[in-house]
Amino acid sequence: GAGVSQSPSNKVTEKGKDVELRCDPISGHTALYWYRQSLGQGLEFLIYFQGNSAPDKSGLPSDRFSAERTGGSVSTLTIQRTQQEDSAVYLCASSSLSDASYEQYFGPGTRLTVT
Amino acid sequence: SQKIEQNSEALNIQEGKTATLTCNYTNYSPAYLQWYRQDPGRGPVFLLLIRENEKEKRKERLKVTFDTTLKQSLFHITASQPADSATYLCALDQNNNAGNMLTFGGGTRLMVKP
Repeated sequence: GAGVSQSPSNKVTEKGKDVELRCDPISGHTALYWYRQSLGQGLEFLIYFQGNSAPDKSGLPSDRFSAERTGGSVSTLTIQRTQQEDSAVYLCASSSLSDASYEQYFGPGTRLTVT
Repeated sequence: SQKIEQNSEALNIQEGKTATLTCNYTNYSPAYLQWYRQDPGRGPVFLLLIRENEKEKRKERLKVTFDTTLKQSLFHITASQPADSATYLCALDQNNNAGNMLTFGGGTRLMVKP
């Protein structure tokens, strides 16, 4: 079946512009996560959605970052007034927590470059 | 907060040998620990999960150990192949949260030479 997809695969933007990154999780997965990976670094947790519950935003680095998940499926991560330090690969993952396997399925990521 | 240490230096081994990667953590003991593989330009792929009450878990040529006293997990690849070359990430659950949010280590790059 289809895996997690993300778009665009690459995004180059000028400093100060807003960007939107999209994630399509695996159908039926109730949990959705956003991570950020800077060059040569590990993954940094950003935000987590579970069903209709309020998202856990504890990992968002600033109020310029926000995310929403519509209809319990597609999610959009928005970065306002982008800064050069926002340049990174943004990874989305989904998971089915019902079977207690806790495995996360990752998309290919969106590489964001802020010039 | 949890801190995870993986050897940031690349591990170079000869084909056929056993690769051993280390993951050390501080602070609380996680309920479970996961290992992922990441290839360049791709998202991580899940390999194995080991729970706090398990000492060892195996899957084909992979073996993971979990020592909660030492706060360490070891990841072994036996009979390594050049196709095993990748970055391997260790990840821990964030302090018994119900949402399976993970804290990742920085990863160790493995290079298997033919």
